[in-house]
Amino acid sequence: ETGVTQSPTHLIKTRGQQVTLRCSSQSGHNTVSWYQQALGQGPQFIFQYYREEENGRGNFPPRFSGLQFPNYSSELNVNALELDDSALYLCASSLGLAGVRTGELFFGEGSRLTVL
Amino acid sequence: AQTVTQSQPEMSVQEAETVTLSCTYDTSESDYYLFWYKQPPSRQMILVIRQEAYKQQNATENRFSVNFQKAAKSFSLKISDSQLGDAAMYFCAYRSENTGANSKLTFGKGITLSVRP
Repeated sequence: ETGVTQSPTHLIKTRGQQVTLRCSSQSGHNTVSWYQQALGQGPQFIFQYYREEENGRGNFPPRFSGLQFPNYSSELNVNALELDDSALYLCASSLGLAGVRTGELFFGEGSRLTVL
Repeated sequence: AQTVTQSQPEMSVQEAETVTLSCTYDTSESDYYLFWYKQPPSRQMILVIRQEAYKQQNATENRFSVNFQKAAKSFSLKISDSQLGDAAMYFCAYRSENTGANSKLTFGKGITLSVRP
C-alpha cells in the first residue's frame, strides 16, 4: 500500500512568485487536506478536498488555492508569495468522511518552501 | 474559536521510564475529538491516540494512554516504558464534531520529546 507522497520535498522561491505543490494520497483515500506548518509552530489547516470539491477552508487568503483530480491526487497553489509563506506544507489523506471524522489522517512528509 | 495550548516546549525522559506530556484546550462545545500526533524527525505525522469527548473512559493504545479531564479541559499523554523511537515532536490536536465533514484539526505548538539512553 503506497503512503502519501508529496513533491517537491524542498524548494526556494522569491517574493511575488507562484508555487505549486503536489500530493498523491494513500491508495483508496478520496479526501485530502492541506496544512501549513511554520517553524516552531503546529500545523494550520488550509483547506480540504473531497471528491474533487473544496469542502472546508481555514483562515488563508484566496491566493492559496487547490485542486483535486479524479485519481484523488491534489495540488496546492500559492500566488504572489510572501516571506511569511515560508513553511512546511503538509498534505494528509483519509479514507472517506468516516476517516475525516475520527481524525485518521495519513500525512505526507511535507514540502519545505522557503521564500526569499 | 478553539485553542490548544502546549506550554512545555521540550521534555526529556530516560529510556524505559514514564513521561507525561501536557495539553489544555479551550472550547465552548460539548462534542469534539482530541488527538495526539507524533512527528518524528522524518517529518511524517502519525496519529498516536484519540479520545472522543463523550467517552468518560480514557483511551489507551499499548504504551500510550491519556488522562482526559473534560471539565478542566485537559488532555495529557502518558508514555510508559519510553523507547528511543519515541523521540519526536508531539502535537495535541482538537477537532470539533460540529464541523461536519471538515477535517479541520486545531493543533498546539507541539512539544519536543527526547529520550536518553
